[in-house]
Amino acid sequence: QKEVEQNSGPLSVPEGAIASLNCTYSDRGSQSFFWYRQYSGKSPELIMSIYSNGDKEDGRFTAQLNKASQYVSLLIRDSQPSDSATYLCAVHSGGGADGLTFGKGTHLIIQP
Amino acid sequence: GAGVSQSPSNKVTEKGKDVELRCDPISGHTALYWYRQSLGQGLEFLIYFQGNSAPDKSGLPSDRFSAERTGGSVSTLTIQRTQQEDSAVYLCASRTNGGGLYGYTFGSGTRLTVV
Repeated sequence: QKEVEQNSGPLSVPEGAIASLNCTYSDRGSQSFFWYRQYSGKSPELIMSIYSNGDKEDGRFTAQLNKASQYVSLLIRDSQPSDSATYLCAVHSGGGADGLTFGKGTHLIIQP
Repeated sequence: GAGVSQSPSNKVTEKGKDVELRCDPISGHTALYWYRQSLGQGLEFLIYFQGNSAPDKSGLPSDRFSAERTGGSVSTLTIQRTQQEDSAVYLCASRTNGGGLYGYTFGSGTRLTVV
């Protein structure tokens, strides 16, 4: 059973601070990793992808991957109230449905 | 089209009725997925279509659920004899070819309420 684990939160972060979201996965053969943002009542929106160990930066977002520890994280710098949402971690392990396994998401609240 | 289009956006149906949900993926995307998301829950995989291959139906919760994809494009998810536990948001996603290198693009979903 492939599993993706996230702390459900809520994670409360003051505006302007760094929000750190974490995700662990069970399948050591996982190859691709994604972060989705989902606003309440809306569908998930892809915001970051990462495939290699290390950091990947895109604007205020940084994804970090450590395959040895089976750990992927998302950092949001200079957090804004508009960043308040649920963040879903998704992992692709190949084979089977060739699909993504999603975590249940972390609810992030940015406090003005 | 520019994005993944789903219809209807909302559907209220009586218990025991059949419903059809439609998904029109991004043009050229070969992979199409159906998920459902119950209130406060994660995404539950339902079914996957890839090109002309036989669909992966391993996530369908019961034989009341079925889906088809015509001409490698539009997909319809059918739920027969709906039950209250079927109430959820049904999300369709599509992806270009390339295996797991690319994330999905989701449609805006169909919110199904069974009363």
